Amino acid sequence: DGGITQSPKYLFRKEGQNVTLSCEQNLNHDAMYWYRQDPGQGLRLIYYSQIVNDFQKGDIAEGYSVSREKKESFPLTVTSAQKNPTAFYLCASSKTGQETQYFGPGTRLLVL
Amino acid sequence: AQRVTQPEKLLSVFKGAPVELKCNYSYSGSPELFWYVQYSRQRLQLLLRHISRESIKGFTADLNKGETSFHLKKPFAQEEDSAMYYCALRTGGFKTIFGAGTRLFVKA
Repeated sequence: DGGITQSPKYLFRKEGQNVTLSCEQNLNHDAMYWYRQDPGQGLRLIYYSQIVNDFQKGDIAEGYSVSREKKESFPLTVTSAQKNPTAFYLCASSKTGQETQYFGPGTRLLVL
Repeated sequence: AQRVTQPEKLLSVFKGAPVELKCNYSYSGSPELFWYVQYSRQRLQLLLRHISRESIKGFTADLNKGETSFHLKKPFAQEEDSAMYYCALRTGGFKTIFGAGTRLFVKA
């Protein structure tokens, strides 16, 4: 199950705190994505990146930020502006935007 | 609006029975549709895509543009098919819209 990894598996956030979720891939994929998964709602796109140093907002980008300084890495920061951060976060990558997405194992974020 | 609807949250069938997981989409352009599956304790993975027109693990799905549907079918369900299934629509570019998912439970 290599290829795309996410850490940590569980993350706890205190009120007013920013936290960063890690996503790394060694598949040499150009495109990377962050999704949020809530019960009964499927996956919703937060941010995506087509190439290094470029990223675009998805449907629910408010309260989140990302960076893409390296091809292999696409970290997601959940800021204090995100009022309802408790969710399961999935990272994915694809060779290009037209190809199949490969998913990481996910990070579950909980608010203390 | 672009949307993917999976009307059943849970589908329970007996082993050996046919199974159909429903998916309807709303999109004015030329759609590209997928089924993803998540087995217990495994990560989400692609099951099949409509442009491939292939059968994976006995599952098939046909795109019906008239009914805007992409239902997933298997003639004889197996216990190992129990999983969460997501229908997804790629609308062009990098955006993929996922349905809410259907949990399939195959009973022995």
